[in-house]
Amino acid sequence: NAGVTQTPKFQVLKTGQSMTLQCAQDMNHEYMSWYRQDPGMGLRLIHYSVGAGITDQGEVPNGYNVSRSTTEDFPLRLLSAAPSQTSVYFCASKHGSGGAPADTQYFGPGTRLTVL
Amino acid sequence: KNQVEQSPQSLIILEGKNCTLQCNYTVSPFSNLRWYKQDTGRGPVSLTIMTFSENTKSNGRYTATLDADTKQSSLHITASQLSDSASYICVVRGFTGGFKTIFGAGTRLFVKA
Repeated sequence: NAGVTQTPKFQVLKTGQSMTLQCAQDMNHEYMSWYRQDPGMGLRLIHYSVGAGITDQGEVPNGYNVSRSTTEDFPLRLLSAAPSQTSVYFCASKHGSGGAPADTQYFGPGTRLTVL
Repeated sequence: KNQVEQSPQSLIILEGKNCTLQCNYTVSPFSNLRWYKQDTGRGPVSLTIMTFSENTKSNGRYTATLDADTKQSSLHITASQLSDSASYICVVRGFTGGFKTIFGAGTRLFVKA
């Protein structure tokens, strides 16, 4: 299994540009999520999905859109990039949407985004 | 105030030495606590998980402890290796305006030869 994969690994955007960060998992996990990681802060939840066709907002959803048309894929769209969106973005997946201790969350390798 | 506080922010130790990383949390009620290891340029990987009824969990040279009464956890690394150089993140799941998972900012560990 490849686990959770993300593309691209690095990206530089200009303010106002849009782009999509790709995320895929091959573990047949129902739950997928996007986080951003900023220096000196813990990972913060942007959006999540509990299954195909179902998405919801996390802690910091503004400026981002998601969709979940298949179990495997969960892309994150930046609508109009701003310098405040400069961050490292992680996609993650786990089996269920509950907080069962045995249900480990698996993270992708991350996308480092810089907005100029 | 952060609901999950980790200390120290960074730590340098010599290869072969032991170290202990701390995590204090205010999330209540508490469900479970995980420690993750994050290598530079990679995503976090789960090391240990403990529920409120557990007070210690080991994974090789990594031993996590939990005191649910004082809301403190520690991660002890024994006989450190160069490959232990990474960030260690404490993650608490509990009820804070709904069930949520709160990530600490991490402790950056450098192991030197």
